[in-house]
Amino acid sequence: AQSVTQLGSHVSVSEGALVLLRCNYSSSVPPYLFWYVQYPNQGLQLLLKYTTGATLVKGINGFEAEFKKSETSFHLTKPSAHMSDAAEYFCAVSDLGGSNYKLTFGKGTLLTVNP
Amino acid sequence: DTAVSQTPKYLVTQMGNDKSIKCEQNLGHDTMYWYKQDSKKFLKIMFSYNNKELIINETVPNRFSPKSPDKAHLNLHINSLELGDSAVYFCASSPPGGSNTEAFFGQGTRLTVV
Repeated sequence: AQSVTQLGSHVSVSEGALVLLRCNYSSSVPPYLFWYVQYPNQGLQLLLKYTTGATLVKGINGFEAEFKKSETSFHLTKPSAHMSDAAEYFCAVSDLGGSNYKLTFGKGTLLTVNP
Repeated sequence: DTAVSQTPKYLVTQMGNDKSIKCEQNLGHDTMYWYKQDSKKFLKIMFSYNNKELIINETVPNRFSPKSPDKAHLNLHINSLELGDSAVYFCASSPPGGSNTEAFFGQGTRLTVV
């Protein structure tokens, strides 16, 4: 079974600083990986995803993530944090197999941005 | 013009009651899901339906019964509510293409059982 580990339940950065949110996955087959963001009292919104091809994936709001198979990682980065980036971030892996698709989520990382 | 909409957004009810949450998507997707987010923000899948057929049932108590009248709707009925059922329930949908496609989530229904 696939699993996702997000290191750090809470990350705090200053506005303008680098954002790095860590995600490691466990999968016996090449995974499909996703990052979602959840703003307070809202649903989840897709930031970016890795399926195949280029290992550096660019997403919305200036975020990007790099798939590193050797490290089983899919860390999320943004060069310069903005106050509006404060939210909960979830890394997820999908299992394989047609209509039996489901997402397995990490426990989330709360990002706070200090002025 | 909401893609995945859930009603109600908030639901407060007493233990032992029966309640339903409704979900509709206007994206034309074939697959719909229910996810549960607990108080620690942990998200876990409960059910998935593909073209009105139950595909995944993740060992959810029988008190939870999903129903899909058509592929645009997936409702969740909960019998004999318990305190531990308090959570945020998210409906989601995904297009054909399998596990490399993303899920689109609704705004969530915050269920509080008192």
